[in-house]
Amino acid sequence: NAGVTQTPKFQVLKTGQSMTLQCAQDMNHEYMSWYRQDPGMGLRLIHYSVGAGITDQGEVPNGYNVSRSTTEDFPLRLLSAAPSQTSVYFCASSPLPGRYEQYFGPGTRLTVT
Amino acid sequence: AQKVTQAQTEISVVEKEDVTLDCVYETRDTTYYLFWYKQPPSGELVFLIRRNSFDEQNEISGRYSWNFQKSTSSFNFTITASQVVDSAVYFCALSGTASKLTFGTGTRLQVTL
Repeated sequence: NAGVTQTPKFQVLKTGQSMTLQCAQDMNHEYMSWYRQDPGMGLRLIHYSVGAGITDQGEVPNGYNVSRSTTEDFPLRLLSAAPSQTSVYFCASSPLPGRYEQYFGPGTRLTVT
Repeated sequence: AQKVTQAQTEISVVEKEDVTLDCVYETRDTTYYLFWYKQPPSGELVFLIRRNSFDEQNEISGRYSWNFQKSTSSFNFTITASQVVDSAVYFCALSGTASKLTFGTGTRLQVTL
């Protein structure tokens, strides 16, 4: 049981480049979410999904896209990277939205120059 | 909108001291869930406890204890006889009927010898 996995662990992008952060879970959880962590700001919700085919915006969705074609995978796409998107990104999953704790991946540290 | 406030940005204690981390929340939901997570220097997020809004019983787990008071909208976390391994950033979080998890900005705890 790998839990929640994220790739890559580190990434450097140039302004304007696009990329996809991968997230997968093997616990058959319906709920998955993406957060970004910035110094002094805690974790902020970017997008979330309550099941395959269903996604919704969180607190800071601008500049990011998501899709959920399978229960296991929830990739996060940066369309045109900006320095303001330099952050640590965490993916999480949970059996039921809200009621149970979320299981977090190890994070991806992204730097946009 | 829901909100979590962790007013203590950073706390330093000497090993074996007791320390309390404060968490105050705001929500209009009558059913909600409160969480504490630990983020050690290695960066991963570790779930510590979940409490639902109908259960105001305090909880003790080893050196950790949690005090939930609906009357003051607080969910405080106490570490008894702190140890160096407790050094980490601690996050309080809240989830309501919208299923979105809102984090506080975190409290960095430094325990020294």
